[in-house]
Amino acid sequence: QVQLVESGGGVVQPGGSLRLSCAASGFIFNNYGMYWVRQAPGKGLEWVAFIRYDGGNEYYADSVKGRFTISRDNSNNTLYLQMNSLRAEDTAMYYCAKDFEAVASFDYWGQGTLVTVSS
Amino acid sequence: AIRMTQSPSSLSTSTGDRVTITCRASQDISSYLAWYQQKPGKAPKLLIYAASTLQSGVPSRFSASGSGTDFTLTISCLQSEDFATYYCQQYYSYPLTFGQGTRLDIK
Repeated sequence: QVQLVESGGGVVQPGGSLRLSCAASGFIFNNYGMYWVRQAPGKGLEWVAFIRYDGGNEYYADSVKGRFTISRDNSNNTLYLQMNSLRAEDTAMYYCAKDFEAVASFDYWGQGTLVTVSS
Repeated sequence: AIRMTQSPSSLSTSTGDRVTITCRASQDISSYLAWYQQKPGKAPKLLIYAASTLQSGVPSRFSASGSGTDFTLTISCLQSEDFATYYCQQYYSYPLTFGQGTRLDIK
């Protein structure tokens, strides 16, 4: 069965960096685009970033462009999100999600990893 | 960016009720719309894609319709497990955007 397991969240000071990981199993990882979606405490869902199945294309939300970098290691079935210059407004649960049949919706989600940006 | 607006933001309902949630896009998105259900402390779950196609395993009491800018999600006979927050999401273009959510509460 498909499993997505995020890790790497924690508490970081404003201006700091963090790298999130998402270990994927149960499907052919290098056949699917992958996403990061976040949810601030008590708020709605916000798409963060996308990476194509082969790593050849990336898109970012304006709110993170230039600060966050999505990447993937298809040999190890792992998705990453490098987050730099973190701000208080980046505080959220971060979910990785699998692309549903190349239609840019999300059929499987991880359980999330919490990032808190606070001094 | 395409703005997605859901209504209502919250709804107090009872088991057995028929519920309709609407989602409006700020521009034509054809049928590039998905619906998700999220329960507290859990990741969202895909219910509907292509505006009206039920994802595998989703109960048939869920249905959806619409195209262009106006969409609806209907739950025909609410069950206790349906009390959750529902989100629409457009995938017509990047940035991908969600509605603000509709929370179903028990009356």
